[in-house]
Amino acid sequence: SQTIHQWPATLVQPVGSPLSLECTVEGTSNPNLYWYRQAAGRGLQLLFYSVGIGQISSEVPQNLSASRPQDRQFILSSKKLLLSDSGFYLCAWSVQGGDTQYFGPGTRLTVL
Amino acid sequence: GESVGLHLPTLSVQEGDNSIINCAYSNSASDYFIWYKQESGKGPQFIIDIRSNMDKRQGQRVTVLLNKTVKHLSLQIAATQPGDSAVYFCAGTYLSGGYNKLIFGAGTRLAVHP
Repeated sequence: SQTIHQWPATLVQPVGSPLSLECTVEGTSNPNLYWYRQAAGRGLQLLFYSVGIGQISSEVPQNLSASRPQDRQFILSSKKLLLSDSGFYLCAWSVQGGDTQYFGPGTRLTVL
Repeated sequence: GESVGLHLPTLSVQEGDNSIINCAYSNSASDYFIWYKQESGKGPQFIIDIRSNMDKRQGQRVTVLLNKTVKHLSLQIAATQPGDSAVYFCAGTYLSGGYNKLIFGAGTRLAVHP
């Protein structure tokens, strides 16, 4: 069966510091991968999606970036965090061409 | 722009009652819808989905109804249990950049009281 992992689970970072969040998927090959952000009490906002290694599409302009160095690894980064980057970051996967997305456990990021 | 919205931000029900959570969408081209359950501090969990060529789909204690005429879908939970307490999101597909993506509603919080 497929599983999706995210780490760290929680993170507290000062404004202006760098960020690296990691997501890995097991049990499937060549998945579509997604990064979402969820503000408190809100829905999910799609940040990036990837249909293959090195292929990243950005949905929302911001100071975040994403990379996919391996087939089942998706990384969310920032060079300098802003207060507004605080939130719950979720990684998701789907099969190629599929619509159903399955979510990881999320990372709670607090920027102080 | 595209939107998927929910009629009520919170829903309180008694244990054992049936729950109905509603969702409206704006994109008539959406052909796939999903309901997710999100418990506090966790990622959304897939509950049930439905394609636009169907108007009803049933799972274990859950039913999703789709009314394409009025662009509305609902999630019905039978015999609601305390473990059903969570935020429920609907999501629908929209085409962007050549790919189908999901747009999510803001969520409805379901509170189950004993």
